[in-house]
Amino acid sequence: DIQMTQSPSSLSASVGDRITITCRASQSISNYINWYQQKPGKAPNLLIYGASTLQSGVPSRFSGGGSETDFTLTISSLQPEDFATYYCQQSYSTWYTFGQGTKLEIK
Amino acid sequence: QVQLQESGPGLVKPSETLSLTCTVSGGSISNYYWSWIRQPPGKGLEWIGYIEVYSSGGTNYNPSLKNRVTMSADTSENQFSLRLSSVTAADSAMYFCARGPDYYGSGSFLQYWGQGTLVTVSS
Repeated sequence: DIQMTQSPSSLSASVGDRITITCRASQSISNYINWYQQKPGKAPNLLIYGASTLQSGVPSRFSGGGSETDFTLTISSLQPEDFATYYCQQSYSTWYTFGQGTKLEIK
Repeated sequence: QVQLQESGPGLVKPSETLSLTCTVSGGSISNYYWSWIRQPPGKGLEWIGYIEVYSSGGTNYNPSLKNRVTMSADTSENQFSLRLSSVTAADSAMYFCARGPDYYGSGSFLQYWGQGTLVTVSS
């Protein structure tokens, strides 16, 4: 299996802050990584696919980058609705694996 | 807009078989892949597998669950299903159905998800 390791596991930030979440793959996955946002009691919501392509309807304050094994999700100016848990997921392998999640909390 | 809804028992006894169905509206299940994902309470996401609703009806399961998982689809009802046998407390989780993998070039993602259904394994 391809292991996906996110850091940090949790993060406290304020509205207006810029934050970055990192995801590292256990082997090269080219740019086959997706990012999801999940709010309590809800299903995950696709934010970014292919490392950097914004899903339709996702605000431009979200951006993704990286390649091979190291990837980032950046939120340029946090809004109240962005406080949630974020997951990376690789689609390089036919067996999807997810990161353990990063919980973004209000400071 | 594609919508998915999971259904099935919320309580399953240990050693028995968990059975869930996902009903799709707003589009046909034909010619797509359909996945199941689970999330234990307070924990992360685990992909269970997918079924392809094409001519072959092939499946692809998470190796860690492969011996216990069966997925099927019913195009006449626009539904697909999950069966997980010999369950234990470790199988207690929120179970989500989703459309996908949806492919863009060589990559793929899960775009449409159901709201999830909580399954508890307990006697």
